[in-house]
Amino acid sequence: DSGVTQTPKHLITATGQRVTLRCSPRSGDLSVYWYQQSLDQGLQFLIQYYNGEERAKGNILERFSAQQFPDLHSELNLSSLELGDSALYFCASSVDGMANTGELFFGEGSRLTVL
Amino acid sequence: GENVEQHPSTLSVQEGDSAVIKCTYSDSASNYFPWYKQELGKRPQLIIDIRSNVGEKKDQRIAVTLNKTAKHFSLHITETQPEDSAVYFCAAPNQAGTALIFGKGTTLSVSS
Repeated sequence: DSGVTQTPKHLITATGQRVTLRCSPRSGDLSVYWYQQSLDQGLQFLIQYYNGEERAKGNILERFSAQQFPDLHSELNLSSLELGDSALYFCASSVDGMANTGELFFGEGSRLTVL
Repeated sequence: GENVEQHPSTLSVQEGDSAVIKCTYSDSASNYFPWYKQELGKRPQLIIDIRSNVGEKKDQRIAVTLNKTAKHFSLHITETQPEDSAVYFCAAPNQAGTALIFGKGTTLSVSS
């Protein structure tokens, strides 16, 4: 158990809909990262938050947005869903929001299926 | 970081053989190179990492080598076992040094 909690574990929805994925980081970790894992694209970095502020942006679509709340949990909002958005969405956390100071701890992921 | 290329995408070996996975990165300022292992249906987990001030690091049957001049680093697994079967990801920091950019992964299959 990494200490990172993601909900829901599975989600099935239709094209055009909107969903929210939730992540609680490990106790004491200030930074949250969102990654998308699809079969042919590996682990794609979407966005990073540190202590409530956006710190880095990756390949996140305009239809997607995220935020980190004062209690440090984070939500990833996916809207106007398309079939190609079907993927496993991972949240990860780290203590200080720097890539080179230690391990990223991943949650179990939220599997999104868009029909 | 920013662009991390990983190959091969799949690798099949016999139990007891060695396996080597290679990655290249584009940002010469990158200074940290971790490897993550993802077993089927599980989350990625860190197995070994190397910083730019060393050329090699070993941990039992796994080792990582770094060539900063050529901007590539490799994962070496010796005496492979069936439980080594997994997807392996290399990574490097983004330009800001705040997030990890991952390669597309290598699916390693070890047959007994």
